[in-house]
Amino acid sequence: DGGITQSPKYLFRKEGQNVTLSCEQNLNHDAMYWYRQDPGQGLRLIYYSQIVNDFQKGDIAEGYSVSREKKESFPLTVTSAQKNPTAFYLCASSMGTPDGYTFGSGTRLTVV
Amino acid sequence: RKEVEQDPGPFNVPEGATVAFNCTYSNSASQSFFWYRQDCRKEPKLLMSVYSSGNEDGRFTAQLNRASQYISLLIRDSKLSDSATYLCVVNGPGRRALTFGSGTRLQVQP
Repeated sequence: DGGITQSPKYLFRKEGQNVTLSCEQNLNHDAMYWYRQDPGQGLRLIYYSQIVNDFQKGDIAEGYSVSREKKESFPLTVTSAQKNPTAFYLCASSMGTPDGYTFGSGTRLTVV
Repeated sequence: RKEVEQDPGPFNVPEGATVAFNCTYSNSASQSFFWYRQDCRKEPKLLMSVYSSGNEDGRFTAQLNRASQYISLLIRDSKLSDSATYLCVVNGPGRRALTFGSGTRLQVQP
């Protein structure tokens, strides 16, 4: 079955550490996205990529980095520069035109 | 002003009731509109796209009013399983990613 997989499901990070969240899709979608969701709030766009080896900053890119070396993969690194990283991180993919997304099941990151 | 605004609720309704949510968007040139459903601590899932002429999917009806820049979702004969947060989602010109509202929480009670 085609889908989008995020790992890990839960992640705990010490202050000052970088962590990388994995996102893999086998839907043959061109576009991939990272969003962050805080409790009681909507999704906010971090980064997105329309094609391999290209990506653009979203609304809240500071403290995050991404890469898109393969069509299937779009990992997100949360760096120590991100001051408040505790949140629910969602990866999504689409065919490229802004159509409905397919979401992964998310990663809950907690800073301890 | 937020790009997409929704009443956070919660809307508490009895089973079998009809409930409607509205959402307003700020960019008059927005082109695509959707409703997503999100269960507690889960990822959002596409409920339905919203078309200019309005569209229906079973108990769910979506309407778009471009002149007033709002989108609505009507749920008829509410079920307990409809309890969730409903996210209004918009895509505007020159923006290659969807913009999500903060969501409206619905609680259907027995």
